[in-house]
Amino acid sequence: DVKVTQSSRYLVKRTGEKVFLECVQDMDHENMFWYRQDPGLGLRLIYFSYDVKMKEKGDIPEGYSVSREKKERFSLILESASTNQTSMYLCASSLTTGPLSAQHFGDGTRLSIL
Amino acid sequence: AQKITQTQPGMFVQEKEAVTLDCTYDTSDPSYGLFWYKQPSSGEMIFLIYQGSYDQQNATEGRYSLNFQKARKSANLVISASQLGDSAMYFCAMRERMDSSYKLIFGSGTRLLVRP
Repeated sequence: DVKVTQSSRYLVKRTGEKVFLECVQDMDHENMFWYRQDPGLGLRLIYFSYDVKMKEKGDIPEGYSVSREKKERFSLILESASTNQTSMYLCASSLTTGPLSAQHFGDGTRLSIL
Repeated sequence: AQKITQTQPGMFVQEKEAVTLDCTYDTSDPSYGLFWYKQPSSGEMIFLIYQGSYDQQNATEGRYSLNFQKARKSANLVISASQLGDSAMYFCAMRERMDSSYKLIFGSGTRLLVRP
């Protein structure tokens, strides 16, 4: 079974802090994704990566950056956290970029910015 | 324009009965994938089942089956013999081409509550 592990289930940070969310997958998947999920807005794609050191902007990249130094690890960085970044963050990975490749998700990180 | 439409915000089903969750989609790409995910209150997103646009047969995975009607652009999830643990949000999603790769687009979800 695919295992996608997010470093924290719950995280509380302060406004202005630099926040790191870590995600690791153990299935040698090429693609990794970061989403945020908000009530009434559904899941929105922040960034994705289809290879090591490669990254692409999703629908809402503003205020975020990502890092993929190794194939199995994809980090989401909030450069200067703000209260409107309080959300549920979900990491996912998929084997290939094709349309039939399922995305497998981690357990999510509930991030609160105070 | 809405790409994935789930018209049932919430549904009830009696334990041990079958339930169908509706999903319609819109795409002009001939090659696409359709997926269903389950999200319990604990928050994790669990992959359930998928259907490829060229698949001739409906996908099945244990108690889950996907009723794929390509001409109607619908991909309904059928859960047979509902269990209390099936209570969750269910999301339909479609993977379609976005520039050089494929993007996963989610519907708004259906909250299913299984009654004992």
